[in-house]
Amino acid sequence: DVKVTQSSRYLVKRTGEKVFLECVQDMDHENMFWYRQDPGLGLRLIYFSYDVKMKEKGDIPEGYSVSREKKERFSLILESASTNQTSMYLCASSLGQGLAYEQYFGPGTRLTVT
Amino acid sequence: SQQGEEDPQALSIQEGENATMNCSYKTSINNLQWYRQNSGRGLVHLILIRSNEREKHSGRLRVTLDTSKKSSSLLITASRAADTASYFCAMNSNYQLIWGAGTKLIIKP
Repeated sequence: DVKVTQSSRYLVKRTGEKVFLECVQDMDHENMFWYRQDPGLGLRLIYFSYDVKMKEKGDIPEGYSVSREKKERFSLILESASTNQTSMYLCASSLGQGLAYEQYFGPGTRLTVT
Repeated sequence: SQQGEEDPQALSIQEGENATMNCSYKTSINNLQWYRQNSGRGLVHLILIRSNEREKHSGRLRVTLDTSKKSSSLLITASRAADTASYFCAMNSNYQLIWGAGTKLIIKP
C-alpha cells in the first residue's frame, strides 16, 4: 500500500511565525501536491510538483512556498503565518505524468494560527 | 479554476437503503474521480471514470458519467454504517484536479 505521511496531525502557531509542513511518500511517485481544505470549499490546490526541484503554482499559492529536494519529500512553507491560513492541509502523491492517476492522501495537518 | 458542484450537500438515509450523489462541472474533462473522506482513514480514492466511459462499477459503487450534461453520479447500494463519510468528486481538466465541495452522507442504523 502507498503510504503518505505528514509530520504533524495538529499544529498551533502564532501570527508571523514561519511554519514548515512536511510530507513523505514511500512509493516513488513523481507527482506530489499540497491542498488546503476548508468547510464548504472542498479542496483547493496550493502547489504541486512533478519532479525533484520542480514546482508549479496551484489556485491559491499566495503566502506559501514549497520545496522538493528529494523525490519522496515535499514541504510546504508558510513564510509568515496569518490567521486566514488556519485550515486543514492535505498532502497527496500520484504516479506518472498528468492526472490520469488516482491521488493518495496523507492524514492531514490541522493548523491553527492564533 | 471553477469548482465542481455536488448535490445534495448532505444526505441522511437508513442503513440498507441506496444513496445517490451528483456532481456537475463546467469544463471538458479527461476523467472524473470520486473520493471518500472519514475521520478514521482520511481521503481515499474510490473510483475513476474516463471521459469515454459511461458507467463503471466497483463492488457496491456505481458511477455514471454524462459528458453531454457535464454531470456524474455516485450510487452506493445497500448502504452500511461504515459508509458514513463525506464524498467528493474531482474532475481532471487541463492537468488540474477540480474538486467539488462534497456531500456529507450519514447512514442511520
